[in-house]
Amino acid sequence: EVVLTQSPGTLSLSPGERATLSCRASQSVSSTYLAWYQQKPGQAPRLLIYGASSRATGIPDRFSGSGSGTDFTLTISRLEPEDFAVYYCQQYDSALTFGGGTKVEIK
Amino acid sequence: VQLVQSGAEVKKPGSSLNVSCKASGGSLSRDTLNWVRQAPGQGLEWMGRISPKFGITKYAQKFQGRVTITADTSTSTAYMELSSLRSEDTAVYYCATEGLLETLDVWGQGTTVTVS
Repeated sequence: EVVLTQSPGTLSLSPGERATLSCRASQSVSSTYLAWYQQKPGQAPRLLIYGASSRATGIPDRFSGSGSGTDFTLTISRLEPEDFAVYYCQQYDSALTFGGGTKVEIK
Repeated sequence: VQLVQSGAEVKKPGSSLNVSCKASGGSLSRDTLNWVRQAPGQGLEWMGRISPKFGITKYAQKFQGRVTITADTSTSTAYMELSSLRSEDTAVYYCATEGLLETLDVWGQGTTVTVS
């Protein structure tokens, strides 16, 4: 089973700043099957990015994904107030697994 | 498609849990349906999935033998049964349809389960 490790655990930033979130896999993962989700308190997760770099429907272009192999990144170019949330990466090979999450909090 | 899950439950240790997930505004048979849970203050954990059209299931190794996922295409409803409950199974349980490239694109509202 592929283990995804996200870092940092918490990111403290101000609105307008750039956020860079990391997701590292325990073995090489096809970028085709790497996704990112956003979750706010009391809500279900929302799909942001699929195929490592493609934005899901309705996702603003300040969200971007990149990476390949074992290292993937989610970047939020300029944080808006509604972007403060927890972010998860997810992969699929023979099973679906999630990373432990990165919380982006207001500094 | 919207996914509407059954309501919150309180269960005794050793008992079984059955959560339903009904697709409204569309058919469930077309999409693979996954179950994901989230313990309090913790991350997301995939439990398994079903292809309702073919009845094919796949389970996470951790839950093999304890979870059963079924679907009734005539009512567009999927079910997740988890047996031998323990306190560590206290969590919010979500159903979610599978979209492009093995992603989870439409989620239910979640069902809170307390084992105590």
